Amino acid sequence: NAGVTQTPKFRILKIGQSMTLQCTQDMNHNYMYWYRQDPGMGLKLIYYSVGAGITDKGEVPNGYNVSRSTTEDFPLRLELAAPSQTSVYFCASSYQAYNEQFFGPGTRLTVL
Amino acid sequence: GDSVTQMEGPVTLSEEAFLTINCTYTATGYPSLFWYVQYPGEGLQLLLKATKADDKGSNKGFEATYRKETTSFHLEKGSVQVSDSAVYFCALRLTGNQFYFGTGTSLTVIP
Repeated sequence: NAGVTQTPKFRILKIGQSMTLQCTQDMNHNYMYWYRQDPGMGLKLIYYSVGAGITDKGEVPNGYNVSRSTTEDFPLRLELAAPSQTSVYFCASSYQAYNEQFFGPGTRLTVL
Repeated sequence: GDSVTQMEGPVTLSEEAFLTINCTYTATGYPSLFWYVQYPGEGLQLLLKATKADDKGSNKGFEATYRKETTSFHLEKGSVQVSDSAVYFCALRLTGNQFYFGTGTSLTVIP
């Protein structure tokens, strides 16, 4: 099993550009999550999904969108990139809400 | 609201020293508590967990005990190694889907 994979590893965007961060898991997990990690801060939940076709907002959803058309994939969309979105983004998955979360290696995004 | 407070780092220790990283929590219910570790350039990995009061989680020589009376879940290791250098995150989960993470404590172990 590859676990949770994320692409790209690094990306630099200009203000106003858009992009999609990809996340795939091969563990047949129901739950998937997107977090951002700002320097010196803990992880903040952006969006999560409890299964295909179901998504919900987390603590910091503004400026982002998600979709979950399959169990395996949970892409995160930035429509109009802003410098405040400069961060490291982690995707995670778990079988159920109370199970351990498995994290991807992260995407480092810089918006200039 | 629900939250986790960790001791601030960075922490620098010599090899074989004793490690304590403090973690306290605020929660309206009965949370499960976790320690995650993040090695350089990698995502977070679960280190240990405890799901009810007085439970002790342990893994790789690390231990933490769920203390309801002091709302704490301090991480300890008796003898750290250079390979333990990483960032450690305390987290809690209440019933539901959201985890609350602390700000992380960076540990560097020098030979």
